[in-house]
Amino acid sequence: QSVLTQPPSVSAAPGQKVTISCSGINIGNGFVSWYQQFPGTAPKLLISENHNRPSGISERFSGSKSGTSATLGITGLQTGDEADYYCGTWDSSQNSWVFGGGTKLTVL
Amino acid sequence: EVQLEESGGSLTQPGRSLRLSCVGSGFIFEDYAMHWVRQVPGKGLEWVSGISWDSRSIAYVDSVRGRFTISRDNAKKSLHLQMNSLRAEDTALYYCAKDKGSYYENYLDSWGQGTLVTVSS
Repeated sequence: QSVLTQPPSVSAAPGQKVTISCSGINIGNGFVSWYQQFPGTAPKLLISENHNRPSGISERFSGSKSGTSATLGITGLQTGDEADYYCGTWDSSQNSWVFGGGTKLTVL
Repeated sequence: EVQLEESGGSLTQPGRSLRLSCVGSGFIFEDYAMHWVRQVPGKGLEWVSGISWDSRSIAYVDSVRGRFTISRDNAKKSLHLQMNSLRAEDTALYYCAKDKGSYYENYLDSWGQGTLVTVSS
């Protein structure tokens, strides 16, 4: 069972916006990062330090954090965004990285 | 371009040992912390272990502490995971990942393609 809680799945139509939540007490004191994973491929950094986009990541992706929750937002959904999305953070109380269980995004 | 290439995964029996390796290129390997993260096919990500740039700080997930040992050789730009007393539940795809900073508390900014470990009798 993951320490960070994410919805197992979300879906929306092309062109719409979707948000993916990530909650857990571990988040409160640290930064959250988000990772995108397509089937059969390695995860890829999507958002760092709550809201920063690495070079090459589309502006359609955004991140935010408030208290013990974080949110990944994706606007202008495209079928190519269909993937699994994971949040993660360093848990200083456990001296361990923790990930959410992952959310499967379906673009209908 | 950062590249991470894992090797060493294979089919092995419960109780046996395996050593995974990861070679990094395209960045100054000795400057960055490194991680091992595993994923059971079809399941989520699980962080396994992290090591600081100078090997002085090391951390493990509880389920592998005492059985797995992470190490690095900066001269050879390589990261290793010695896995002892393997269990069926260690079966997973093991990814090597680079941290953004010198210690492992930041974020994982580059990932390898993974090496598959299967533990079965």
